[in-house]
Amino acid sequence: DAGVTQSPTHLIKTRGQQVTLRCSPKSGHDTVSWYQQALGQGPQFIFQYYEEEERQRGNFPDRFSGHQFPNYSSELNVNALLLGDSALYLCASSFWEQETQYFGPGTRLLVL
Amino acid sequence: DQQVKQNSPSLSVQEGRISILNCDYTNSMFDYFLWYKKYPAEGPTFLISISSIKDKNEDGRFTVFLNKSAKHLSLHIVPSQPGDSAVYFCAATPMEYGNKLVFGAGTILRVKS
Repeated sequence: DAGVTQSPTHLIKTRGQQVTLRCSPKSGHDTVSWYQQALGQGPQFIFQYYEEEERQRGNFPDRFSGHQFPNYSSELNVNALLLGDSALYLCASSFWEQETQYFGPGTRLLVL
Repeated sequence: DQQVKQNSPSLSVQEGRISILNCDYTNSMFDYFLWYKKYPAEGPTFLISISSIKDKNEDGRFTVFLNKSAKHLSLHIVPSQPGDSAVYFCAATPMEYGNKLVFGAGTILRVKS
């Protein structure tokens, strides 16, 4: 039973560029959440998708957008990258009706 | 405004002894709490959780205690093993469908052999 997978593992971009990160949830899970983890901090909630709709959003600008596909996989898009967007981006999956979320290994994004 | 706080950035424990990691929260709407462990270059791994209707939950060497009146929870690891060395995150959420997790900043646990 595959867990949560994310791609790519690492990414280097320059300021102003756009990036797309991908996530496949744990088998059977229907809800995907995205988090940003800066160095030395805990993960910060970006947004959550269920039934292909954004259900909740954290305190992140509109440059951060996402999508969920019919197979429950998800993408996180970040436009107009800033140096401060450098972080570990974590995807977590869960059942909509349950609280426990299971995390993928993350994508390490470096913006130069 | 940090709603979940882990005030100890690090903790060092001898192998075989008890490790106690602490977490405080401020939002009274939180009623479900989780602990995650994170190794370098990996995502957080779910360890154990507790809902506000309980004050204790055990799973093998891991026990979580919840004191609702003090808005405080703790994770006990007994006995501690060198493989437990990792960053431990406390997280909280209201028990509603599809809620976000609010994390503390983490505590680095080092278990010395």
